[in-house]
Amino acid sequence: AQSVTQLDSHVSVSEGTPVLLRCNYSSSYSPSLFWYVQHPNKGLQLLLKYTSAATLVKGINGFEAEFKKSETSFHLTKPSAHMSDAAEYFCVVSASSASKIIFGSGTRLSIRP
Amino acid sequence: NAGVTQTPKFQVLKTGQSMTLQCAQDMNHEYMSWYRQDPGMGLRLIHYSVGAGITDQGEVPNGYNVSRSTTEDFPLRLLSAAPSQTSVYFCASSPRFQTGLNTEAFFGQGTRLTVV
Repeated sequence: AQSVTQLDSHVSVSEGTPVLLRCNYSSSYSPSLFWYVQHPNKGLQLLLKYTSAATLVKGINGFEAEFKKSETSFHLTKPSAHMSDAAEYFCVVSASSASKIIFGSGTRLSIRP
Repeated sequence: NAGVTQTPKFQVLKTGQSMTLQCAQDMNHEYMSWYRQDPGMGLRLIHYSVGAGITDQGEVPNGYNVSRSTTEDFPLRLLSAAPSQTSVYFCASSPRFQTGLNTEAFFGQGTRLTVV
């Protein structure tokens, strides 16, 4: 079985400060992990993905995520937040022979001027 | 490049009506799935398919039917719409999962359904 837990439903940071969105996963198989972003009333856009290559993954718009197997975590970070980063972020796990893709409940990121 | 195409984008139904949400992909992906998105609950898996002729239930399958007669198409049917089915629906497709390989999911633009 697989599952994913996003530890914060809402994160608020000031523009120019670091962003940390936390994600823990559970999987019986070696997982593929993703972060997707959804801007208001928009579809889902892939930010980055981990597929058992480098544990530090770089994505678009300056975002990064580090896969830590010992902690079963895949936290999303960005050194300096921008107003345009305000959105909903989803951590996603894909594993098992049935290729089920499971979403976390999402973290809403707000950016204060 | 069409990717994943969902129709319609918006729909209003009366309670008890039936309808089909269409989803088509042109990437020859084996895996297709339907999700519903509700505030504070992320995207919940309704049904999924790992290939033509094979479907299975996800987390919230009640009230929905699916079929997969071709690789390209994966329609979602609401048999008797209820207000609790008011939601945004997303269709996704991806290659079959293989460890270490690209299994990114591609999403349609969503269908906003309101049941009154």
